[in-house]
Amino acid sequence: NAGVMQNPRHLVRRRGQEARLRCSPMKGHSHVYWYRQLPEEGLKFMVYLQKENIIDESGMPKERFSAEFPKEGPSILRIQQVVRGDSAAYFCASSRTGSEQYFGPGTRLTVT
Amino acid sequence: GIQVEQSPPDLILQEGANSTLRCNFSDSVNNLQWFHQNPWGQLINLFYIPSGTKQNGRLSATTVATERYSLLYISSSQTTDSGVYFCAVEKSAGGTSYGKLTFGQGTILTVHP
Repeated sequence: NAGVMQNPRHLVRRRGQEARLRCSPMKGHSHVYWYRQLPEEGLKFMVYLQKENIIDESGMPKERFSAEFPKEGPSILRIQQVVRGDSAAYFCASSRTGSEQYFGPGTRLTVT
Repeated sequence: GIQVEQSPPDLILQEGANSTLRCNFSDSVNNLQWFHQNPWGQLINLFYIPSGTKQNGRLSATTVATERYSLLYISSSQTTDSGVYFCAVEKSAGGTSYGKLTFGQGTILTVHP
């Protein structure tokens, strides 16, 4: 059973560009979570999705950030008009039941 | 929100030594997990342990939910145990699981040969 897949593993964007991060959950898992790890702030929850629904987005910045988990295909975290402060590691996790979460390898976003 | 405190913040060991990492949390929890973030940045699941005791090889964990703490024991440490150990909890909400994990700041473990 393959683990949580994230791509790309590393992403470099210039200020003002868009970043799209993809996450494929483990087989049989319908709960997806996104977390961000900033250098001096630790790991923070961003958003919790189930298929086609956003359940909890209380950790998402109000502007420029959006997430989706369509009926078919991976979950996408989208960051519009990136700024240097968006540079971080973005982790996706998945769960079968909404309890134990399994994390992907992360996407390291660098904004130049 | 729920507060999660881990101690010690840093720990340096010689290979073969044992250690205990602690996680205190400020409210009732539905979920508690321990993770190891290796030097390559990957988060490895160690334990899902909202209560009770579990063991996996040289690692074991105990959560005393009524007293709001969890302990991670590492025995006969190896250099490959180096990295950051995180405790993460999900606040209890009347039995409903919302999935939002709150992480502690981690314990940085360095094991020297």
